[in-house]
Amino acid sequence: GAVVSQHPSRVICKSGTSVKIECRSLDFQATTMFWYRQFPKQSLMLMATSNEGSKATYEQGVEKDKFLINHASLTLSTLTVTSAHPEDSSFYICSAHTSGSYNEQFFGPGTRLTVL
Amino acid sequence: GESVGLHLPTLSVQEGDNSIINCAYSNSASDYFIWYKQESGKGPQFIIDIRSNMDKRQGQRVTVLLNKTVKHLSLQIAATQPGDSAVYFCAENWAGGTSYGKLTFGQGTILTVHP
Repeated sequence: GAVVSQHPSRVICKSGTSVKIECRSLDFQATTMFWYRQFPKQSLMLMATSNEGSKATYEQGVEKDKFLINHASLTLSTLTVTSAHPEDSSFYICSAHTSGSYNEQFFGPGTRLTVL
Repeated sequence: GESVGLHLPTLSVQEGDNSIINCAYSNSASDYFIWYKQESGKGPQFIIDIRSNMDKRQGQRVTVLLNKTVKHLSLQIAATQPGDSAVYFCAENWAGGTSYGKLTFGQGTILTVHP
C-alpha cells in the first residue's frame, strides 16, 4: 500500500518550453502533496505544499508563476515548469500525505528534468 | 527556516560491519524524525522513524536513537551489506499547527559498503 507514482520518469526539453510532471497516489487518497527539488549531490528541498482543491503554498524563494501546481483531485497533483531554462534541470520528487498517517509522507520515484 | 545537518558526509565500511550515521537537528519543536535511504536516480525510501517522546526505536537491522538534549539523531545499521550502499538522509518534521507537518531534510551521508 501507499504507492506514489510520477510521470514521466525522465524528460528532456528545449529551453523556453513548459513541462508538466504528474504525481499520483495509487492506492490511497492524498489530502496533501508536496513537491521537492533535488540538485546533484544535494539534499531534497521543499518547493511547495498543495492541498486538494486549494492553492499551493510555496516555500520562500520559489516562484509560484514559474512552478505551477495543481491538486485537482485526491489522487493527482501536477507540477508545471513554465518557460524552463537549463538552471531548472533537476530531480523533482513528489510525496503524498494521507490523514491519519501521523505526518508520514510517501515519496514518488522522482522525475529527472533536463533542459537543453 | 531551521535546518537539519549531518556530521559525516561520507562513510565507508566493510561488509558485515556495523554502520552509524549521525544527524544534528536544530528545531526543538520538531516532533517526528525519519531516516530515508536514497539510491541513485530514485526517490527516498523510508527506513525508520521515531517520535519525540521516544529515545530509541528498532527495526530490522536498523536502530534509530534520538537525544533531544543535544538535538542529535543517529541511524545504526547492523551487519551492513553491499545493498545498503546509498545516500542516507535524516529528516525532521514540524507540525506547526497543520495536520501533516513539513519535512526538513539533512544534507545526506553517502554510505559505501565494500565487499
